[in-house]
Parts: sequence; structure tokens; C-alpha cells
Amino acid sequence: EDQVTQSPEALRLQEGESSSLNCSYTVSGLRGLFWYRQDPGKGPEFLFTLYSAGEEKEKERLKATLTKKESFLHITAPKPEDSATYLCAVQANYGQNFVFGPGTRLSVLP
Amino acid sequence: DSGVTQTPKHLITATGQRVTLRCSPRSGDLSVYWYQQSLDQGLQFLIQYYNGEERAKGNILERFSAQQFPDLHSELNLSSLELGDSALYFCASSGVVPGQLNYGYTFGSGTRLTVV
Repeated sequence: EDQVTQSPEALRLQEGESSSLNCSYTVSGLRGLFWYRQDPGKGPEFLFTLYSAGEEKEKERLKATLTKKESFLHITAPKPEDSATYLCAVQANYGQNFVFGPGTRLSVLP
Repeated sequence: DSGVTQTPKHLITATGQRVTLRCSPRSGDLSVYWYQQSLDQGLQFLIQYYNGEERAKGNILERFSAQQFPDLHSELNLSSLELGDSALYFCASSGVVPGQLNYGYTFGSGTRLTVV
């Protein structure tokens, strides 16, 4: 069974304090790994897709990396507006749907 | 605005009742996915439709059903509602043909269902 875990469950950072979020996955053949940002009461907003180990994607203060068993979302010099829940999802080669992890709740304090 | 429209935004109903949630996908997207998000379960996949046909099923209860119409909008029907069905229900759409690499879904803003 495909599984996705994320750590930490919650993270509080001071503005400017860089850190990383982890997504570990077990899947029978990875087609893609996806990162989403979700604000309270809203739908997840797409951030990145990673397809193969070694791949990296960047967007503003965010950088996502992928290995064969996990992905990291690095946040450099975060700002309060980066506060949100960050969700990781995987799609298996045989699957149509995404399997989501439980998310990491990030709070960035000014 | 993501381009995926869900109505209603909020719904409060009593146990045992039946409700219908509606989703209009992004223009041009043929796939529609339904997800349930509760506090203790995270985002759980319910069902996927592609161009009117059911393509994948997740942990969808027998009391729940869905369909996608010729104009590509989709409806999720929830019946014999229980307190535990209270959750956020999200619809997402994708323009990728099943079997191809997916660049990611686009989610709607969700319907918050409260069963009392």
C-alpha cells in the first residue's frame, strides 16, 4: 500500500530562520511527487512536481528536492506569509490518484 | 481563483439527510477528482472521473456516489449522513490523460459540510 509520512507535524520558525520539511514515501514505482501549500479553509495550491531522484525545483524561497525514498522542502529566510500547511503527495505508476501525507503546519513568526 | 468552482461553500444538514456537492472543473480539464479532508484523516481520495467515466475509486463509502456529466461538471452525492461525515470536500481537476505523467491537480476551494 502506498504511504506518505511527513515530519515534523508542526514547525515554528522566526522570520528569516531557514529550515526543511521532510516527506517520506513508500510506493511501488513513483510516477511523481507533488508539493502543495494549503491555507486554512482553502484548497491546496500546487507548488512543485518532481519526477526522478536528484531532481530539484525552486520557487521564490522554496526549494524541493527528491531522493529515492524522500523529498525535502527547503524554506530559505521564510516570511510570515509563508505560514501554511505544506502537503506532500505521490502518484504511483499504476495509479490515477494522488496519495497525500498528513502535512506539516508551518508558522513563521515576525 | 483556481478555475475549479465548488458549490456550495458551506452546508449544514441533519443526520440521515442527503446532500449534493457540485464541482465545475477548470476549462479544458477532463478529469475530476473528489477528496475528503477531516481533521484526523488528512486528504483522502474518494473517486475520479475522466470524460464522464469512472476511472478510479478510493475509500468511498457505499452511501456516497458521484457522477460526471456531459458538460464535465461533477456532483458528489452523500446520503444517510452521519456526524462523522462532517469534513471539507474538495474537488480537483486535471487536463492530463489517464496514464500520462501528471503535472499536478488544481483544487477548488472546497465545500465545508457540517452534519448536526
